Amino acid sequence: DQQVKQNSPSLSVQEGRISILNCDYTNSMFDYFLWYKKYPAEGPTFLISISSIKDKNEDGRFTVFLNKSAKHLSLHIVPSQPGDSAVYFCAASEDADALNFGKGTSLLVTP
Amino acid sequence: GAGVSQSPRYKVAKRGQDVALRCDPISGHVSLFWYQQALGQGPEFLTYFQNEAQLDKSGLPSDRFFAERPEGSVSTLKIQRTQQEDSAVYLCASSQRLGLKFYGYTFGSGTRLTVV
Repeated sequence: DQQVKQNSPSLSVQEGRISILNCDYTNSMFDYFLWYKKYPAEGPTFLISISSIKDKNEDGRFTVFLNKSAKHLSLHIVPSQPGDSAVYFCAASEDADALNFGKGTSLLVTP
Repeated sequence: GAGVSQSPRYKVAKRGQDVALRCDPISGHVSLFWYQQALGQGPEFLTYFQNEAQLDKSGLPSDRFFAERPEGSVSTLKIQRTQQEDSAVYLCASSQRLGLKFYGYTFGSGTRLTVV
């Protein structure tokens, strides 16, 4: 039973434009949400996170938005760069240390 | 070490063979996790250690899977009598202390296991 869903397997964006990656979850007890970035043959690397008590967290070009009522979060990358091309995983945790991951969205940023 | 180190990077096993996958966490990291990532899927939780104590093994898919961390540092994930459905990338992650989940964990590059 997939508790974290990323419904878009892939996304293509032009360099300089905004990339928006979406994530939905079903467990209302999740209290932390994280985004990981993964390049081929490497492990996931932590990108940005947000606590359930907030609705926005910003770090440079990356902003995560959380809509608890809709059980939805999104990652915005502005401006997108070719080096951002990777697979992005949304993950959530319920007051425990195990993370529940989505299936990932493959982002391609074209020059 | 500077990062989480996993070995081997690649492992091909014949069906029925036993395998052992090693994880060297970042020095001093108390928490250690194992995840399994099948092709086209996100990582799925297998088990979690705090120091040498295995606090959660609810994600282990069968009793053929066994993990240990006897001295609270290096961990080994063992799979007995491997089957084709065990083919996946096995990821290890460590974090500095309990409750640091807000900052995420540091993952290793994984071990890609192929069972033929």
